[in-house]
Amino acid sequence: GENVEQHPSTLSVQEGDSAVIKCTYSDSASNYFPWYKQELGKRPQLIIDIRSNVGEKKDQRIAVTLNKTAKHFSLHITETQPEDSAVYFCAATPPGNRLAFGKGNQVVVIP
Amino acid sequence: SAVISQKPSRDICQRGTSLTIQCQVDSQVTMMFWYRQQPGQSLTLIATANQGSEATYESGFVIDKFPISRPNLTFSTLTVSNMSPEDSSIYLCSSTPTSGRADPGEQFFGPGTRLTVL
Repeated sequence: GENVEQHPSTLSVQEGDSAVIKCTYSDSASNYFPWYKQELGKRPQLIIDIRSNVGEKKDQRIAVTLNKTAKHFSLHITETQPEDSAVYFCAATPPGNRLAFGKGNQVVVIP
Repeated sequence: SAVISQKPSRDICQRGTSLTIQCQVDSQVTMMFWYRQQPGQSLTLIATANQGSEATYESGFVIDKFPISRPNLTFSTLTVSNMSPEDSSIYLCSSTPTSGRADPGEQFFGPGTRLTVL
């Protein structure tokens, strides 16, 4: 089955700086890669996703890039704000299958 | 996205008892899933709740321990049976939008049920 790994496990950034989280996946058939943000005590929320026919997608301060050859994808958060502090989960899914989640990254934005 | 609710939001249960968690979606959805999230951990898929047929369980999860129902396209239940302290966790349901797409990739989550077993 699909195996997803996230790096780093914890990331601290100064407010206003950029944060980058990288995930790798194992199944070359995976074609959908969402990112979820989970604040403490809250449900995971889908913040951005990318499909395998696209290399990059941007939504305001967040962007996701995908390298299918290397089987990795990254979340980029620019101009970080305290409300960006959360755990971020990446996931991957091969066609017709279920989501495989990474272990999560704790992002701490220091005011 | 669909609005998903769960009941109860939390519960404290005694060892050996069972708890049924309800998941309600405000619109018909193609697929519904049940996850477990232990403190500080990632989400682990328990099973896919299939409408009108038996749930599809992931490795390590069995129907006798986690029976699931899905009587229609908006509702599902997960029962945690014969509970032990190791079952203490957050249980979340999720669903995929109904847009003619069978791809289970895009999922939206309920608020979760925090279960503590004493």
